Amino acid sequence: EAQVTQNPRYLITVTGKKLTVTCSQNMNHEYMSWYRQDPGLGLRQIYYSMNVEVTDKGDVPEGYKVSRKEKRNFPLILESPSPNQTSLYFCASKVTGDYEQYFGPGTRLTVT
Amino acid sequence: EDQVTQSPEALRLQEGESSSLNCSYTVSGLRGLFWYRQDPGKGPEFLFTLYSAGEEKEKERLKATLTKKESFLHITAPKPEDSATYLCAVQAGNTDKLIFGTGTRLQVFP
Repeated sequence: EAQVTQNPRYLITVTGKKLTVTCSQNMNHEYMSWYRQDPGLGLRQIYYSMNVEVTDKGDVPEGYKVSRKEKRNFPLILESPSPNQTSLYFCASKVTGDYEQYFGPGTRLTVT
Repeated sequence: EDQVTQSPEALRLQEGESSSLNCSYTVSGLRGLFWYRQDPGKGPEFLFTLYSAGEEKEKERLKATLTKKESFLHITAPKPEDSATYLCAVQAGNTDKLIFGTGTRLQVFP
């Protein structure tokens, strides 16, 4: 089954404790992206990657890091999480070009 | 600045009561407009892509249309299972980036 998977699905952590949210896709897509979704603000792009070893900032990259060492994986790293990073996070992937993005199931992160 | 605005924010319909959701956009060089459905606590699920003014796409009770300034998602004779948040997004310029609206939360009552 073609899908985007994320782990963990739920995470509660404390300020400053480094964490990684994994994202993997099995569709051989070149493009991958991370979004956060907050009430009233909609989905906002954090980082994206056009292909292996190619990453770039989205609209809200502060406090996040990403890497793309393999085509299928695109982890999101929070080196020192803060409460304002409490949000619902989605990973997405697609074929490069004017095509739809496919989203993962989401990771709900709470930073206390 | 590229912008996507959806209206209304919320819509309550009786089962069978048809209506439309609006997505207006101001972007430079539209490459595609996308409609997604999102159920609570889940990831957005792709519905339609529209590329040029005048284009229409249909799927079951849903029909999406596109003009040069806006898109409509028409829902004909909705059922309770159509209850969800409907998101509109545009891809513009020379990037693969999607710009999302904040969505319309649809509730259909039996």
